[in-house]
Amino acid sequence: DAKTTQPTSMDCAEGRAANLPCNHSTISGNEYVYWYRQIHSQGPQYIIHGLKNNETNEMASLIITEDRKSSTLILPHATLRDTAVYYCIVRENFGNEKLTFGTGTRLTIIP
Amino acid sequence: GAGVSQSPRYKVAKRGQDVALRCDPISGHVSLFWYQQALGQGPEFLTYFQNEAQLDKSGLPSDRFFAERPEGSVSTLKIQRTQQEDSAVYLCASSLTGGNYGYTFGSGTRLTVV
Repeated sequence: DAKTTQPTSMDCAEGRAANLPCNHSTISGNEYVYWYRQIHSQGPQYIIHGLKNNETNEMASLIITEDRKSSTLILPHATLRDTAVYYCIVRENFGNEKLTFGTGTRLTIIP
Repeated sequence: GAGVSQSPRYKVAKRGQDVALRCDPISGHVSLFWYQQALGQGPEFLTYFQNEAQLDKSGLPSDRFFAERPEGSVSTLKIQRTQQEDSAVYLCASSLTGGNYGYTFGSGTRLTVV
């Protein structure tokens, strides 16, 4: 079973920052937070991951609370192409650990 | 190619028919995963290979499902005597090592059993 809780759906205006929350209150000390997204008719796409420090890459930023029980994925300037289902996943980084997806958040970018 | 390639893209099978789904991972990728995604749901794990070794097949829903990766590159997921509940998108993912920096997924094969 997925160890994360996400809102079912969200809307965001084009050009604005999209902030997607995720609760993972039972996360253990050696589990990372991963974010993937899935655009319609495509496979999931890796976005970003982190352990306890905030992370940023060319796609997004990941803010993890100090107690690590929740996190927020930030898309700084959302475009229509960011419309997708976003999955928050917790996972140990021991090589062959599978990803356990939940139902994710369906993000719709509004023109 | 640069990505994970899956074929066929779409497959329609009559109930009871056997099907074979192919995954070409990124060259050199050691780890390979198969997932099943029902409509409106997130992907669910089926099985995992490290090179040619199948290290985890705990997600295979029944003994009708069989996966192989004989030479540590291309993998095939076979479903025998297909049932309507097998209708789903089957996704393949690969990574260079254990996916610590993310897996690369293919676009999947959409299987419809009629």
